[in-house]
Amino acid sequence: AQSVTQPDIHITVSEGASLELRCNYSYGATPYLFWYVQSPGQGLQLLLKYFSGDTLVQGIKGFEAEFKRSQSSFNLRKPSVHWSDAAEYFCAVGAGSGYALNFGKGTSLLVTP
Amino acid sequence: DSGVTQTPKHLITATGQRVTLRCSPRSGDLSVYWYQQSLDQGLQFLIHYYNGEERAKGNILERFSAQQFPDLHSELNLSSLELGDSALYFCASSVDDLSPLHFGNGTRLTVT
Repeated sequence: AQSVTQPDIHITVSEGASLELRCNYSYGATPYLFWYVQSPGQGLQLLLKYFSGDTLVQGIKGFEAEFKRSQSSFNLRKPSVHWSDAAEYFCAVGAGSGYALNFGKGTSLLVTP
Repeated sequence: DSGVTQTPKHLITATGQRVTLRCSPRSGDLSVYWYQQSLDQGLQFLIHYYNGEERAKGNILERFSAQQFPDLHSELNLSSLELGDSALYFCASSVDDLSPLHFGNGTRLTVT
């Protein structure tokens, strides 16, 4: 079955610094990959998704992610982090039909002044 | 605002009891998914309905059941509650199988 690993439980970055959150997936075929963000007390908001095509995907709030099949990775990046980006970030993989997603455990992002 | 409405926001109940969580999907969305989020298990897919029919089951206990009604709202029924059922329960909806999920803000269930 498809699965997702987010190796970093917590990450702390300074405001204005660049950010990269790691995500590795396990799936035989080309997966559907997603990044979601969850602010405290809120539901999950979709940042971006990859189905096929261009391996560099642009999302909302200045985020991007790159699909690397050779590394089974789909890392999330942002060039300059803002304090409002502090939240929990989830990588997810789906197998298509039915669209039931398997989520990683999440990475908690802390942004320091 | 995702457009997905979940009620109630908070629910506190005792072990052995039964509760019903309600979800109204975004207007026009035919698919409804239920997820459970707990500290130890993370986000776990429970069940998926499409236009009233069950499409897929995940890690859903036999004590749990769900249904999607003709007006497309969905209910998740949790019975014989145990302490370990305390979690955030999310509903998500999408237009179809190829569209991203939109999540509600969840129902926080506390079993005492």
